[in-house]
Amino acid sequence: EDQVTQSPEALRLQEGESSSLNCSYTVSGLRGLFWYRQDPGKGPEFLFTLYSAGEEKEKERLKATLTKKESFLHITAPKPEDSATYLCAVYNTDKLIFGTGTRLQVFP
Amino acid sequence: DTAVSQTPKYLVTQMGNDKSIKCEQNLGHDTMYWYKQDSKKFLKIMFSYNNKELIINETVPNRFSPKSPDKAHLNLHINSLELGDSAVYFCASSQFKGAGNTIYFGEGSWLTVV
Repeated sequence: EDQVTQSPEALRLQEGESSSLNCSYTVSGLRGLFWYRQDPGKGPEFLFTLYSAGEEKEKERLKATLTKKESFLHITAPKPEDSATYLCAVYNTDKLIFGTGTRLQVFP
Repeated sequence: DTAVSQTPKYLVTQMGNDKSIKCEQNLGHDTMYWYKQDSKKFLKIMFSYNNKELIINETVPNRFSPKSPDKAHLNLHINSLELGDSAVYFCASSQFKGAGNTIYFGEGSWLTVV
């Protein structure tokens, strides 16, 4: 069965303390792995799409990487404004299925 | 300019009532969706329409009925509301249907059934 698993469930970082979030997936025929950011009381905001193993994308302090089994979202020198829930998702045929997210808190 | 907008943002209603959530997108996309996010923050697809045609209909009680008057609008009507329907409902859209397309979400509608 196609599924997406994210770890850790929650992550607390000091400002400037770099770390990584993991998204493991099992899907027959990857048609894109998507990262979203969700702030409390808001809808998911699109960050990146990765389509093939070895691909990397960056945006400010965020860098997403992809292997054949998992994706990492690396956060370099995070700031308090990076605090949010980060969701990853993959397509199961024509349906985008989500993991349960990693709730990131960055403290000053 | 709000790309995907939905109303109302908050809705508190009693069990047994019927309610609707409206959604509009100004991105010119062909495909629209309804997703449900439960109390554990798990986001799951409910329906998808492409150019007013229903293309995805997940295992959802038939008390939930989507309606798409045109490709820029997708409304969700819920009959005989139950306590378990309390959740956040997200409208979303993508340029085309099918795998690989980026989906853009609205801000959500918080439904509380009491």
